[in-house]
Amino acid sequence: KAGVTQTPRYLIKTRGQQVTLSCSPISGHRSVSWYQQTPGQGLQFLFEYFSETQRNKGNFPGRFSGRQFSNSRSEMNVSTLELGDSALYLCASSLEQGGGKETQYFGPGTRLLVL
Amino acid sequence: GDSVTQMEGPVTLSEEAFLTINCTYTATGYPSLFWYVQYPGEGLQLLLKATKADDKGSNKGFEATYRKETTSFHLEKGSVQVSDSAVYFCALGYSSASKIIFGSGTRLSIRP
Repeated sequence: KAGVTQTPRYLIKTRGQQVTLSCSPISGHRSVSWYQQTPGQGLQFLFEYFSETQRNKGNFPGRFSGRQFSNSRSEMNVSTLELGDSALYLCASSLEQGGGKETQYFGPGTRLLVL
Repeated sequence: GDSVTQMEGPVTLSEEAFLTINCTYTATGYPSLFWYVQYPGEGLQLLLKATKADDKGSNKGFEATYRKETTSFHLEKGSVQVSDSAVYFCALGYSSASKIIFGSGTRLSIRP
């Protein structure tokens, strides 16, 4: 079974631009969560989608948004990019909407550099 | 609020040495506890988990026991290999919430 895939793997943008990242969960998984990883803040939860609905959201500004499609694929969008948005963005999928007790399977991440 | 504290890294050991990476947590409820590992250039992989007090998670020679009395979930391995070099994250999660709370990570380097 294929794992979680994320595209693109690397991205360079300039301040003020917007970016869209994509995540395809493991086949059959219905929950997709997004995390931001930076050296300073570590791993921080962005949001989780289940059955095309956002179920939980972390403490990030409204510039960060996401959506989930009927095939469980998910996208996250960051508008008006800032230098501090440079990070590794990780997507994780799990089978059910079982919350944090459920094992989450992570993709390789998208490394975003904002210049 | 809930939090996870890990020992500062980097940790450098010789091959076949015994490994302990300390992890303590603060929790308002009864979470599951996890250890994830991140190899260079890759995402996180679940290493092991424990869902209730006194449970022991184990995988690939690594073990950790959920200790409610000391709020700890220390990772141990009897004999490390060069291939164990990675960053290790301790984490907790609840069934009522989607997010996992991660520790800051501990970088482990194993010398041949």
